[in-house]
Amino acid sequence: EAGVAQSPRYKIIEKRQSVAFWCNPISGHATLYWYQQILGQGPKLLIQFQNNGVVDDSQLPKDRFSAERLKGVDSTLKIQPAKLEDSAVYLCASSSLLTTQYFGPGTRLTVL
Amino acid sequence: GENVEQHPSTLSVQEGDSAVIKCTYSDSASNYFPWYKQELGKRPQLIIDIRSNVGEKKDQRIAVTLNKTAKHFSLHITETQPEDSAVYFCAASRTQGAQKLVFGQGTRLTINP
Repeated sequence: EAGVAQSPRYKIIEKRQSVAFWCNPISGHATLYWYQQILGQGPKLLIQFQNNGVVDDSQLPKDRFSAERLKGVDSTLKIQPAKLEDSAVYLCASSSLLTTQYFGPGTRLTVL
Repeated sequence: GENVEQHPSTLSVQEGDSAVIKCTYSDSASNYFPWYKQELGKRPQLIIDIRSNVGEKKDQRIAVTLNKTAKHFSLHITETQPEDSAVYFCAASRTQGAQKLVFGQGTRLTINP
């Protein structure tokens, strides 16, 4: 089966610019997660979707981060405006009720 | 909320020796404990997991033990090989699916030839 797809793989932007990341989960997986992984740390959940509804966004910096999952499949994560501390790898993962989470390759964001 | 502590942060062992990584968790409602391996620049990949109704699980050279009373679980790798070098993350959640994972800080394992 195809894995979780993400794009772009790398992005370099200046602070205060905006950026968007895209994720396509494994077919049939109703739950989609966005994690932020800062260098040297474990992934931290930003937002969790169940189909197209938000289950948990308690750690999402809502003043600058937004995410949507239209039609319950693909998802986009946006940062506007970006700060230096947003430099990280953004991982998308998906799961079903009966499976663990499978991760995409991630998007490495560098904010200059 | 859940908090997962992982130790050590770095571990260096001779090829062929065993490696042990330990994690503790705070939420007594956590019931699912996966371990992920992340090679440099790559995605985290599940290597083994355990549920709270099981005390130990083994898959070839990898084993995980769980002590629910003490709220800690460990990863054991025997007969280590150079390809085992990577960062390993433990995690905890309340169920296997449709629940967020809370990750430990990671252990960088280096296997010396």
